[in-house]
Amino acid sequence: DTEVTQTPKHLVMGMTNKKSLKCEQHMGHRAMYWYKQKAKKPPELMFVYSYEKLSINESVPSRFSPECPNSSLLNLHLHALQPEDSALYLCASSQEPGTGTTDTQYFGPGTRLTVL
Amino acid sequence: AQKITQTQPGMFVQEKEAVTLDCTYDTSDQSYGLFWYKQPSSGEMIFLIYQGSYDEQNATEGRYSLNFQKARKSANLVISASQLGDSAMYFCAMSPRFIMNRDDKIIFGKGTRLHILP
Repeated sequence: DTEVTQTPKHLVMGMTNKKSLKCEQHMGHRAMYWYKQKAKKPPELMFVYSYEKLSINESVPSRFSPECPNSSLLNLHLHALQPEDSALYLCASSQEPGTGTTDTQYFGPGTRLTVL
Repeated sequence: AQKITQTQPGMFVQEKEAVTLDCTYDTSDQSYGLFWYKQPSSGEMIFLIYQGSYDEQNATEGRYSLNFQKARKSANLVISASQLGDSAMYFCAMSPRFIMNRDDKIIFGKGTRLHILP
């Protein structure tokens, strides 16, 4: 089973709101990722968690705050977002980062975020 | 620096015909992986096929095959007997074998929008 789930599917929020995106996988994967994707563009990496520790932050603004409570869960906390943050947010997971095998990333269905 | 190039922004293909989506890459690494993903309008990125740089055989997964030409640095996706459900955006991607450093991450091409015509 290569399923990654994300909730909610759609989210509309104001610039003063605080909200969270959730991602879950039960494949025993030890790396999890957040991507941002604008329309008609490829995904852009935001964060990588490896063994529940943040290993890569692609210079993402602090209004995005990731959290990895355990090896199956990944959250993205949102606060004081801007309209230009409206995008599809994709979560992905892969088996074992940095073990000498190229790791296939499996993606969730995404959350479509609209910031008003 | 690593780079993925997909030169076809859009393609129209008749149903049941075979389709080839082009992908060329540039890397100085000796060991890397190449991937193809499908993204329907619903948004989910669906993993289709993987080719390792040291794999001697071209990868195949059902109707999908990857035409890997290492010397030419190309990794074209071939879809046999296309179906209406194949209409989607397709991304070619590359990843280094050892993802240990900040700059070692999967990179995506700009994508090709495939339209299958009935």
